[in-house]
Amino acid sequence: GNSVTQMEGPVTLSEEAFLTINCTYTATGYPSLFWYVQYPGEGLQLLLKATKADDKGSNKGFEATYRKETTSFHLEKGSVQVSDSAVYFCALALNTNAGKSTFGDGTTLTVKP
Amino acid sequence: EAQVTQNPRYLITVTGKKLTVTCSQNMNHEYMSWYRQDPGLGLRQIYYSMNVEVTDKGDVPEGYKVSRKEKRNFPLILESPSPNQTSLYFCASSFERAQETQYFGPGTRLLVL
Repeated sequence: GNSVTQMEGPVTLSEEAFLTINCTYTATGYPSLFWYVQYPGEGLQLLLKATKADDKGSNKGFEATYRKETTSFHLEKGSVQVSDSAVYFCALALNTNAGKSTFGDGTTLTVKP
Repeated sequence: EAQVTQNPRYLITVTGKKLTVTCSQNMNHEYMSWYRQDPGLGLRQIYYSMNVEVTDKGDVPEGYKVSRKEKRNFPLILESPSPNQTSLYFCASSFERAQETQYFGPGTRLLVL
């Protein structure tokens, strides 16, 4: 079946540090890939997405590149802020099954001033 | 304002007492889905719906029912709740399918005693 494996957390960084959260996937077919963010006490919201190999999604200084050869979609940000503290979820959805959606376990990021 | 609403936000109940968690979206989306979030397990899909009267199982459907009689509403029904259904539940919607951006509700925290 399909699966998403995320880097285990929690991750604690100082403000302005570089962030990488690893995400790898297993899928039968060609998935669309997503990063969602969940701020404390809220629902998830889309951070960025990519729909085909070599696509780069970007938003709010975050980036992730769809790497088909390594089945990865790692999230990066060059300089994190305290306001980036949240839980980050990597997810996939297959074009061959329009309803199914698979999420990773989530990675908690805490940024300290 | 475009949004997904869930009610109630918090619920404490006892084993075996039927309950319904409502979900409504005002974006005219065709696709809706329910997830549960548990520590260490991330988000897992319970049921989804591609359109009115079209529903299908996700990865963890046991113990849950859904219905989609109207486009905007997608209630989650627990006919006989058990303590292992204690969780944080999220409803989400997208324009047509899971491959598109999903918009999440604020969550319903359920405790089954």
